[in-house]
Amino acid sequence: QSALTQPASVSGSPGQSITISCTGTSSDVGGYNYVSWSQQHPGKAPKLMIYDVSNRPSGVSNRFSGSKSGNTASLTISGLQAEDEADYYCSSYTRSNTLVFGGGTKVTVL
Amino acid sequence: EVQLVDSGGGLVQPGGSLRLSCAASGFTFNSYAMSWVRQAPGKGLEWVSAVSGSGAGTYYADSVKGRFTISRDNSKDTLYLQMNSLRPEDTAVYYCARPLIGVFRGAFEIWGQGTMVTVSS
Repeated sequence: QSALTQPASVSGSPGQSITISCTGTSSDVGGYNYVSWSQQHPGKAPKLMIYDVSNRPSGVSNRFSGSKSGNTASLTISGLQAEDEADYYCSSYTRSNTLVFGGGTKVTVL
Repeated sequence: EVQLVDSGGGLVQPGGSLRLSCAASGFTFNSYAMSWVRQAPGKGLEWVSAVSGSGAGTYYADSVKGRFTISRDNSKDTLYLQMNSLRPEDTAVYYCARPLIGVFRGAFEIWGQGTMVTVSS
């Protein structure tokens, strides 16, 4: 159960777009459309931003979008805002009937 | 209001045991698989265990298999995590989490507030 691979940090200026990658294997990300993305601000519980690769829960801004190609999923934040500064985690269901998270990406708004 | 309230954390010596609880309210508890997710201090999220809505199916991360047992009491709308043979590396905030859709596949929409478990002598 190796963690999915995410960049440690990504930064951008207000109004810009950034993309966070999440790389797994054919046993997790590549094998299922069950990739999710969560946002976590310091000291808070995570918040679901994207599920099933590209679906947004009710109430989540349409500035957040998800996609997948092969074994790599991506989260794109467009029109970056100060409130988007947080840690972001991807996760995927696996062939072993388990769940695996990525190591997390710290997003900094410059 | 849909809510999860975690409890049961504390300080325990290596090799000791602890039972966490998660009280659910505001939704049909037995319609959802439930999970425990932990976060060590300053570290990322780690999925620990899941249980199906009926309780018949249980799933574990390799790191806790054989030491932790997940269970649920649908008559009390409560999720449990029995933790035995605790190790210092089990030190973390433990969250219970409910998925957006009932089956176990991640997509945790509702989270408890977390309960801190510290394993130290």
